[in-house]
Amino acid sequence: DTAVSQTPKYLVTQMGNDKSIKCEQNLGHDTMYWYKQDSKKFLKIMFSYNNKELIINETVPNRFSPKSPDKAHLNLHINSLELGDSAVYFCASSHSAGGNEKLFFGSGTQLSVL
Amino acid sequence: KQEVTQIPAALSVPEGENLVLNCSFTDSAIYNLQWFRQDPGKGLTSLLLIQSSQREQTSGRLNASLDKSSGRSTLYIAASQPGDSATYLCAVGLNNAGNMLTFGGGTRLMVKP
Repeated sequence: DTAVSQTPKYLVTQMGNDKSIKCEQNLGHDTMYWYKQDSKKFLKIMFSYNNKELIINETVPNRFSPKSPDKAHLNLHINSLELGDSAVYFCASSHSAGGNEKLFFGSGTQLSVL
Repeated sequence: KQEVTQIPAALSVPEGENLVLNCSFTDSAIYNLQWFRQDPGKGLTSLLLIQSSQREQTSGRLNASLDKSSGRSTLYIAASQPGDSATYLCAVGLNNAGNMLTFGGGTRLMVKP
């Protein structure tokens, strides 16, 4: 069983469209994250949720709206997609939001905006 | 603002060699430092986590050290194997809330048979 699974793996879409990426973890973790890996391969945190509550929002545009229906799921909805949104988006989870927790990552969603 | 740098960006070695990957960070007020492995088309796998009060962590052929005062960490891989080929990422945790990590750009390792 995949611990952190995200769908779709690939997403190709036109500028201006709205799209969603889903993430689910079956590890029983309380905390989930979205990271963005740009073309230079740098990973940057976008959001962190703990028990369905937002705890980190790293100056991400309002077009990005995470939603956590329960602590096992953290979906990412993106409105009015722009060319600069093209990247690989990784979902991750950890046991809790406290420090010194190992993060478990999904396999990524490669988003291409044309 | 914390910046994390990894040198070299790419490394190619013959199988069996011992090797060292370097990571440096600008702000020594870190909470922890983690090393990850990323395989092409896959997510990251956590390899080692060193808490700020620790000097090193070991797992199998991997040993990671941390020198907070100088802002450096090294990942030592003993007796490298072709299966070790991957990108290795260093990340520093900035505080004890939220597990907010700042990543380096990674070192792409190729171990040739």
